[in-house]
Amino acid sequence: EAGVVQSPRYKIIEKKQPVAFWCNPISGHNTLYWYLQNLGQGPELLIRYENEEAVDDSQLPKDRFSAERLKGVDSTLKIQPAELGDSAVYLCASSASGGGNEQFFGPGTRLTVL
Amino acid sequence: RKEVEQDPGPFNVPEGATVAFNCTYSNSASQSFFWYRQDCRKEPKLLMSVYSSGNEDGRFTAQLNRASQYISLLIRDSKLSDSATYLCVVNTYGQNFVFGPGTRLSVLP
Repeated sequence: EAGVVQSPRYKIIEKKQPVAFWCNPISGHNTLYWYLQNLGQGPELLIRYENEEAVDDSQLPKDRFSAERLKGVDSTLKIQPAELGDSAVYLCASSASGGGNEQFFGPGTRLTVL
Repeated sequence: RKEVEQDPGPFNVPEGATVAFNCTYSNSASQSFFWYRQDCRKEPKLLMSVYSSGNEDGRFTAQLNRASQYISLLIRDSKLSDSATYLCVVNTYGQNFVFGPGTRLSVLP
């Protein structure tokens, strides 16, 4: 069974440029998460989807970050414009619905903003 | 106070040692508890869920104390391959998973 797929794996951009990350969750997983992880820290939630609905985006910096999951499967996270402080690993995870179920993570996208 | 706190680490232990990690959480309504393992430059992966009665999986034992809002992970007979960061994760039904900052373990030959 395929795991969570993310692309790209690495991205280097200059500040003020836009960037987008893509995630394909495990088939049948209705819940999708985007996390940000800084070095030496645990993942921090940016947004959680149940199917195509964003049920928690309270931690998403909406002035520059946006996300979508139009058909309830794949998701895209966008930053525009990127700032130096956005350099981090962006992790996508999915789980079966129902609360408290194991999350499966993708390999992440390592973003470097110069 | 952060919602989930862990021992700051790093822990450097010799092979064969027993090591224990501690985690505390602030939300008394939390219902599900997990330990995840994260290797360097890799994604987190579930190590084990933590049940109220405590649970064991080979060399790994997890304990939960709801009254003290405390979770622990014990690793016996440490192996070199146990070197990783261990993340404590807490979930309240219908809400989000909250990750602790992680505790890094290095098992030395």
